[in-house]
Amino acid sequence: SQQGEEDPQALSIQEGENATMNCSYKTSINNLQWYRQNSGRGLVHLILIRSNEREKHSGRLRVTLDTSKKSSSLLITASRAADTASYFCATQLNTGTASKLTFGTGTRLQVTL
Amino acid sequence: NAGVMQNPRHLVRRRGQEARLRCSPMKGHSHVYWYRQLPEEGLKFMVYLQKENIIDESGMPKERFSAEFPKEGPSILRIQQVVRGDSAAYFCASSPAGQGGGYTFGSGTRLTVV
Repeated sequence: SQQGEEDPQALSIQEGENATMNCSYKTSINNLQWYRQNSGRGLVHLILIRSNEREKHSGRLRVTLDTSKKSSSLLITASRAADTASYFCATQLNTGTASKLTFGTGTRLQVTL
Repeated sequence: NAGVMQNPRHLVRRRGQEARLRCSPMKGHSHVYWYRQLPEEGLKFMVYLQKENIIDESGMPKERFSAEFPKEGPSILRIQQVVRGDSAAYFCASSPAGQGGGYTFGSGTRLTVV
């Protein structure tokens, strides 16, 4: 299965701290993406990193990709209570055409005041 | 630009009835994807469609489930003779044509089978 596995399953931190989530996958990919899901809502696309990229930043988000280890990490700096959500990584394969996203199991982040 | 619109938001069906879930993709997007999510779990891929074509249905159960994306109108995910195990949140996403890129998700339809 291509499905990613995220680690940890749940993470609880205080506001202002950094949160790091990890994702591992199994096969070669075209790109890896991170999404956020607030409770009971749809997913929101956060950031995409291509297989030839190693690091990408967007605001308080930093994503790394290590294709040799088939792993990625998402770092949220200076976390806020509003960052409380589930975070999913998703991979797209090297198929030559637009292909489906395969999602990981998610990390539930709780940011407390 | 209204984004991906799914309706209904909540759907209750008795066992044995049919459920129809609708998804209108974002304007300009020609690719539609359906996913199912059980409580506290990730999203499981069901089907990938373009207008009038099913591209990948490897995640669809072999029986009772079907999907379409007609030339005109929304994409429809149809579940016949629903069972309690079909209770889940069903999410639709869309993307523009081309290779690779982020999806835009709808808010989902929460199906409850009683």
